[in-house]
Amino acid sequence: SQTIHQWPATLVQPVGSPLSLECTVEGTSNPNLYWYRQAAGRGLQLLFYSVGIGQISSEVPQNLSASRPQDRQFILSSKKLLLSDSGFYLCAWVSGISTDTQYFGPGTRLTVL
Amino acid sequence: GENVEQHPSTLSVQEGDSAVIKCTYSDSASNYFPWYKQELGKRPQLIIDIRSNVGEKKDQRIAVTLNKTAKHFSLHITETQPEDSAVYFCAASQAGSRGKLIFGQGTELSVKP
Repeated sequence: SQTIHQWPATLVQPVGSPLSLECTVEGTSNPNLYWYRQAAGRGLQLLFYSVGIGQISSEVPQNLSASRPQDRQFILSSKKLLLSDSGFYLCAWVSGISTDTQYFGPGTRLTVL
Repeated sequence: GENVEQHPSTLSVQEGDSAVIKCTYSDSASNYFPWYKQELGKRPQLIIDIRSNVGEKKDQRIAVTLNKTAKHFSLHITETQPEDSAVYFCAASQAGSRGKLIFGQGTELSVKP
């Protein structure tokens, strides 16, 4: 069966520090992968999505970037965090073959101080 | 692009009553409509979904209806229980969008015992 992992689970970082969040999927190949951010008490904002290795589409211009170095690995990065980057970061996947059904990872809770 | 509006933002019901959450979408090309339940501090979980070739789908106490002409879809929960308390999100996507989901703003459902 398919499983999606995210780490770290929680992170507290100072303003101006770098960021790297990782997402990996098991049990499937060539998935579509997505990064969402959820601010406290708010909805889900799509940040990036990827349909294959090295293919990244950005939905919202900001100080974040994403990379997909391997088929089942998706990384969210920042060179300098802002206070407004605080939130719950969720990775999601969709089978690359035929389905629209999207499943979320457990998330990373980021607090920027 | 697609826009999804969700109402109400908060909903309080007595245990055993029914709850209805409504969403409207703007793009007539959208053809897949999932609903997610998110408990506090956890990832969104898919609870039911419907495709545009179906008008209604039911799974035990949960049902979703779709009106393509009016471009709206609704989540119905019958015989509500305290464990149904959570934030519910609707979403829409269209074929060829590579699984991109556009989410509604969320509805916080509270079921009072």
